Amino acid sequence: AQKVTQAQTEISVVEKEDVTLDCVYETRDTTYYLFWYKQPPSGELVFLIRRNSFDEQNEISGRYSWNFQKSTSSFNFTITASQVVDSAVYFCALSDPSNTGNQFYFGTGTSLTVIP
Amino acid sequence: DTEVTQTPKHLVMGMTNKKSLKCEQHMGHRAMYWYKQKAKKPPELMFVYSYEKLSINESVPSRFSPECPNSSLLNLHLHALQPEDSALYLCASSRKDRGRGAEAFFGQGTRLTVV
Repeated sequence: AQKVTQAQTEISVVEKEDVTLDCVYETRDTTYYLFWYKQPPSGELVFLIRRNSFDEQNEISGRYSWNFQKSTSSFNFTITASQVVDSAVYFCALSDPSNTGNQFYFGTGTSLTVIP
Repeated sequence: DTEVTQTPKHLVMGMTNKKSLKCEQHMGHRAMYWYKQKAKKPPELMFVYSYEKLSINESVPSRFSPECPNSSLLNLHLHALQPEDSALYLCASSRKDRGRGAEAFFGQGTRLTVV
């Protein structure tokens, strides 16, 4: 069964600190896809990154970086020099390729508060 | 343009009312979704449409009735809802040609309150 675990429910950091959001997943599939989404108070889920199971290269996009390690089934997300605008709920998700649609399995989310 | 537009943004309805939520995208995506999200919880999948045909129904009660009139529009018809149906309803869309791992783009949601 597919499962995504985000053990950190809430995190608070002071502006300009670095913060890492953890994501651990479970799947029996050899082909799968991982995602991170940001949900600000406005409600919309904003797509941040997609990674397939065959691409273990880490990725950096501005202040954001992602560390994908298949050996530990983890897909962690780091924000460098955090800003108040980073305050949001962040969801890690797994896409199950065996369904007829793109069914996303979401983690329970991590609520990040950046204190000015 | 990666926009999914949902209307209305807020909706208050009585338990005997009939209302509809609307979702529109012009990205050429052929998969569209309805999710329900309660406060402090992750989104829960309700329905998936693939090429305008219903492909997944996650055992949603019949008081929720989806409709996909064309490749750009997705509706969710509501009838005889219960107060526990109050939630944020999110619409999303994704490409099909990247296989089943395509990212989904979400709308801002409709905050529904059933009184």
